[in-house]
Amino acid sequence: DTGVSQNPRHKITKRGQNVTFRCDPISEHNRLYWYRQTLGQGPEFLTYFQNEAQLEKSRLLSDRFSAERPKGSFSTLEIQRTEQGDSAMYLCASSRSGAPDTQYFGPGTRLTVL
Amino acid sequence: DQQVKQNSPSLSVQEGRISILNCDYTNSMFDYFLWYKKYPAEGPTFLISISSIKDKNEDGRFTVFLNKSAKHLSLHIVPSQPGDSAVYFCAANTGNQFYFGTGTSLTVIP
Repeated sequence: DTGVSQNPRHKITKRGQNVTFRCDPISEHNRLYWYRQTLGQGPEFLTYFQNEAQLEKSRLLSDRFSAERPKGSFSTLEIQRTEQGDSAMYLCASSRSGAPDTQYFGPGTRLTVL
Repeated sequence: DQQVKQNSPSLSVQEGRISILNCDYTNSMFDYFLWYKKYPAEGPTFLISISSIKDKNEDGRFTVFLNKSAKHLSLHIVPSQPGDSAVYFCAANTGNQFYFGTGTSLTVIP
């Protein structure tokens, strides 16, 4: 069990560029979550996958954001036409089906949009 | 619309004493509550959880109390240690969504 990993750890981009982040969950976990965290705030839910199916999307997730989990293992989060307001820490978490649902977080990807 | 609130942004406690971190929520549909600990440059780490059918759960030095009528939960750490210094987030769950508070930064003074 190597934990949840995220790549890259840091990303600096210019406004208007597209960025993609990757999350590798704990291997036996079939649930995967994406969150965004800004300074002084707690993580805010963005979206949730069970296996390869995207089952929930927050209204925070504008149409510039898209997430995939094509084979029910790793996931990618893409932000198109980045804006300065997208600067944040993007966190991924995974968990195993069944109650209760305890999520294990990765280290996050810090995005800075210049 | 902050459904989970941590009204104390920071707390300082002497080593060996009890740390009490508080959390309030507004949604009566929440049925599972968790506490996470976060160090700088790392993701949150799961600490302890409690189901809404219980009012107390203990794990070593950590105890979580749930008062459903008051929509309040608290995390007690005793005795507090310098390594406990971190930001603590409470979270609540209903369905497939988790809602986090804004965090309390705990400093344990040696």
